[in-house]
Amino acid sequence: AQTVTQSQPEMSVQEAETVTLSCTYDTSESDYYLFWYKQPPSRQMILVIRQEAYKQQNATENRFSVNFQKAAKSFSLKISDSQLGDAAMYFCAYRYLNGNTGKLIFGQGTTLQVKP
Amino acid sequence: NAGVTQTPKFRILKIGQSMTLQCTQDMNHNYMYWYRQDPGMGLKLIYYSVGAGITDKGEVPNGYNVSRSTTEDFPLRLELAAPSQTSVYFCASRQRGQGVNEKLFFGSGTQLSVL
Repeated sequence: AQTVTQSQPEMSVQEAETVTLSCTYDTSESDYYLFWYKQPPSRQMILVIRQEAYKQQNATENRFSVNFQKAAKSFSLKISDSQLGDAAMYFCAYRYLNGNTGKLIFGQGTTLQVKP
Repeated sequence: NAGVTQTPKFRILKIGQSMTLQCTQDMNHNYMYWYRQDPGMGLKLIYYSVGAGITDKGEVPNGYNVSRSTTEDFPLRLELAAPSQTSVYFCASRQRGQGVNEKLFFGSGTQLSVL
């Protein structure tokens, strides 16, 4: 079964600095999608960035970028120029394409604190 | 659009009571999902549906039931509430066929406590 592991329960970063959140996953499939979701204290789930496994190019969305290492099954999130509004819980998620059910498998989450 | 609407937002149950968590989406999405999030943890899939009349179990289905009689509604039923079901419950939906450009729309969650 596919699993997603986030080994950093908590991280902190100084405002305006860069932080990297780690994520590893286990799968025997070759074609899948990976996502990072943000959950602020409001509990709302916000899509941050997504990556197709067959694309070697790392996805970027403004200050957010990923380092996708398919062979290592690693999918880290880099947040540049951190802002106070980035403080939240971040979830890595894997979506396997088998059967097209669209199920997402989530990691345990990393709580990010941004210090002013 | 209202998106995904969950009711209630908060609920306290006594052990053994039953309740239904409601979820409605107005985006004509085929796929709907129920997740639970325990404190400080990630989301775990309870049940999902790929269309009206079709449901299937996720990772943690025990103690829950679902139905999907319409495209819009996907209620989650707890028959005999147990303290282990204390959690935040999220309903989500998405459209079929968008590939990696898909977006999963989440409801605002239901905080359930079983005492």
